[in-house]
Amino acid sequence: GDSVTQMEGPVTLSEEAFLTINCTYTATGYPSLFWYVQYPGEGLQLLLKATKADDKGSNKGFEATYRKETTSFHLEKGSVQVSDSAVYFCALSGDTGGFKTIFGAGTRLFVKA
Amino acid sequence: DAGVIQSPRHEVTEMGQEVTLRCKPISGHNSLFWYRQTMMRGLELLIYFNNNVPIDDSGMPEDRFSAKMPNASFSTLKIQPSEPRDSAVYFCASSPPGYVEAFFGQGTRLTVV
Repeated sequence: GDSVTQMEGPVTLSEEAFLTINCTYTATGYPSLFWYVQYPGEGLQLLLKATKADDKGSNKGFEATYRKETTSFHLEKGSVQVSDSAVYFCALSGDTGGFKTIFGAGTRLFVKA
Repeated sequence: DAGVIQSPRHEVTEMGQEVTLRCKPISGHNSLFWYRQTMMRGLELLIYFNNNVPIDDSGMPEDRFSAKMPNASFSTLKIQPSEPRDSAVYFCASSPPGYVEAFFGQGTRLTVV
């Protein structure tokens, strides 16, 4: 079945450092790919998405490119802030069996001032 | 614009008791999802509905769990009898027609003692 694998955390960075969180997926068909963010005590919020190969999703300085050839959707940000500290989830929503979303395990990011 | 509303936000109950979690999706959304989040298993899809009809309940852990969606604006997740291993944060999410991303509620933190 469909699945998402993302790098284990926690990831600890200093403010203004470069961030990469790796994500790879397995899916039949042509899924849409997402990054969600979860701040402490809150639900998940959509951060960015890409719906087809070579699309780049971007939001709040974060970006990720849908790479079908490597089945990857890595999250990047050029300069992280303390306020970016959260848990980041890579996810996919397949085009078969309805629009259910499958999530990766999540990667916790700590940003130090 | 109200988001997905879940109640209660916190629930503490004794083992063996019945627990009912409630969800009001965003108006106009026609897909509804129940997820469970634990440290050990991450974010698991329990069940999802489309137009009030259960489409996939393969993630429901066992017969003690049941979910209903009597109308487009309300859903319940019931656990009877509850067990300590059911302790988790339960999220409800909804999606509008034609959209693939999910909008999450703030979750219900369930503790079974």
